[in-house]
Amino acid sequence: DVKVTQSSRYLVKRTGEKVFLECVQDMDHENMFWYRQDPGLGLRLIYFSYDVKMKEKGDIPEGYSVSREKKERFSLILESASTNQTSMYLCASSLLQEFSYEQYFGPGTRLTVT
Amino acid sequence: AQSVTQPDIHITVSEGASLELRCNYSYGATPYLFWYVQSPGQGLQLLLKYFSGDTLVQGIKGFEAEFKRSQSSFNLRKPSVHWSDAAEYFCAVGARRDDKIIFGKGTRLHILP
Repeated sequence: DVKVTQSSRYLVKRTGEKVFLECVQDMDHENMFWYRQDPGLGLRLIYFSYDVKMKEKGDIPEGYSVSREKKERFSLILESASTNQTSMYLCASSLLQEFSYEQYFGPGTRLTVT
Repeated sequence: AQSVTQPDIHITVSEGASLELRCNYSYGATPYLFWYVQSPGQGLQLLLKYFSGDTLVQGIKGFEAEFKRSQSSFNLRKPSVHWSDAAEYFCAVGARRDDKIIFGKGTRLHILP
């Protein structure tokens, strides 16, 4: 089974802090994604990555950055956390292969910024 | 532009009753379509997917979905729901040459005992 793990299930940070959210997948997937999930808004793509050291902006990249130094790990960085970044953050991965690119999700990190 | 619409934000059904969750998409070519389920406090799990071929797709947990090109729909069905089906359900659409997936805003399913 594909396993996607996220470093924390719950996180509380203060405004202005630098926040790191870590995601690791164990199935050698090329693609990795970061979403945020808010009530009534569904899932919105923040950043994604096709390969090591490659990244692409999603729909809402402002206030975020990412890092992918190893194939299995994709980090989301909030340079200076703000209260409007309080949300559920979901990481996902998928194969770079036609007809097989459904995404596998981690359990999520619920981040609260106070 | 691609888009996915789930018209129902909340749906309540009685345990044992049948279920249909609606999904409409907008896309210029044949889409790849998915249904995911999210149990409380969990990540998303794939229920089923449609890429091509038979328009009636069987998934896990007794769910099925039917692709209707003429209606741009991909509705999810289950003949008899169980209390454990209470969750949020997301329809999603992808493109053939694009690994991104667009998600609908979700439908939360409530089950009455």
